[in-house]
Amino acid sequence: QQPVQSPQAVILREGEDAVINCSSSKALYSVHWYRQKHGEAPVFLMILLKGGEQKGHEKISASFNEKKQQSSLYLTASQLSYSGTYFCGTEEDSRDNFNKFYFGSGTKLNVKP
Amino acid sequence: NAGVTQTPKFQVLKTGQSMTLQCAQDMNHNSMYWYRQDPGMGLRLIYYSASEGTTDKGEVPNGYNVSRLNKREFSLRLESAAPSQTSVYFCASSAREGYEQYFGPGTRLTVT
Repeated sequence: QQPVQSPQAVILREGEDAVINCSSSKALYSVHWYRQKHGEAPVFLMILLKGGEQKGHEKISASFNEKKQQSSLYLTASQLSYSGTYFCGTEEDSRDNFNKFYFGSGTKLNVKP
Repeated sequence: NAGVTQTPKFQVLKTGQSMTLQCAQDMNHNSMYWYRQDPGMGLRLIYYSASEGTTDKGEVPNGYNVSRLNKREFSLRLESAAPSQTSVYFCASSAREGYEQYFGPGTRLTVT
């Protein structure tokens, strides 16, 4: 089932912080985060696994609360290069042989000078 | 090392025509995926192949077929194109299911 992302759009000034949330109604095994710039393909940022630790990538980090089936992406001291659409992808924890994977509808981030 | 390549980059079809989108990866990945992305929406999984020799339906498989030709190549076929299939199509691959996915540059398809 497609995860829900919030907010749908964010406008920031350079140096400001932002939080993007992702939630699912299903038990999750992992959460992925990707960024897509206009006209380009999505690019992988990080993956958080069930039972794993909070991840970080320069000034971008994320957390995963597996009990609440929620993940948050934290962007601190935003830069112009952070602009783009951020997608979470959720891997559902299934007893079947495979875990279903769904992307959220995205959060559009616009960082202004 | 080209990563994931897709052909063609752009295509215009008339309703009812057929075509095949090609995808290849050179990372020795086991899993490959086809997504479509419509304006303002996320990526929706059409089909995926967990490993060579297997394919499975995703969220929106109707109107499409796939072939995992070998470990490197995964093609998507539209047998009878419809305007509702106008979209940007992305192919992706990962070392295995659940691992990070690497995307190709996309194919922008318009069906008139």
